[in-house]
Amino acid sequence: GEDVEQSLFLSVREGDSSVINCTYTDSSSTYLYWYKQEPGAGLQLLTYIFSNMDMKQDQRLTVLLNKKDKHLSLRIADTQTGDSAIYFCAESPLTGGGNKLTFGTGTQLKVEL
Amino acid sequence: NAGVTQTPKFQVLKTGQSMTLQCAQDMNHEYMSWYRQDPGMGLRLIHYSVGAGITDQGEVPNGYNVSRSTTEDFPLRLLSAAPSQTSVYFCASTAYEGNTEAFFGQGTRLTVV
Repeated sequence: GEDVEQSLFLSVREGDSSVINCTYTDSSSTYLYWYKQEPGAGLQLLTYIFSNMDMKQDQRLTVLLNKKDKHLSLRIADTQTGDSAIYFCAESPLTGGGNKLTFGTGTQLKVEL
Repeated sequence: NAGVTQTPKFQVLKTGQSMTLQCAQDMNHEYMSWYRQDPGMGLRLIHYSVGAGITDQGEVPNGYNVSRSTTEDFPLRLLSAAPSQTSVYFCASTAYEGNTEAFFGQGTRLTVV
C-alpha cells in the first residue's frame, strides 16, 4: 500500500527559507499535495502538483517533485512566525482526487525570532 | 458559506457507549470523507462517500458506520466506543471526483475512557 514519510520537526529563523521534505512509495500517485494545520484547526490546502510536473511556484511557496526518487519538497521563502504550523504531505490517485488522501506524518515547523 | 461544520468539538465517552459525530457542508459538494488523526501517524481515511446514498470504506473502517442520506450531511457513528478510538476526527469535502481541493472541518476531539 501507499506510504508517505516526513521528518517530524523543523526549526528556522524568521526571514530564512524553510524546506520540508517528503517521500512517497505509490508510483501511481497522480496528485501530490501540501496541507497546513494551525493549532486547533482543520487542514488547509496550500498547493498541489500533478505527478507529471517537476516544479510549481506560488508566491512564497515552491514545490519540487523528483519522480525518480519519489521525493517531494516544499520551500517557503522568507519564513514568518505566522508560518509556524504542522505541514502535511499527501498523495491521491487519479480516481480519488482530493477525496481519498494518503497523508504523511506531518512536519512541525517552528519559526524563531 | 460556513464550509464544513463538525459537531461536537469535544466529547468524552465511556468504553462501550455509542455516539454520532456530525458533519455538514453547505457547498453542494459531491464527495465527503472522514479521517482520524493520531500522533505520529498523520491522518487516515475511515470512510468516504461519492454522493448521496453511496459510501465506501477507507483504510481504517472497523468500529465505524456511515450513511449519506443527503448531499449536505455525512455522520460518523461509533457503535461501541473503545479506548483505541481516542483521536481527533476530521470531516472533509470535495466538489467532485478528481477535484484537488478538499475542505476540512475544524475537527472533533474524542476521548474514550
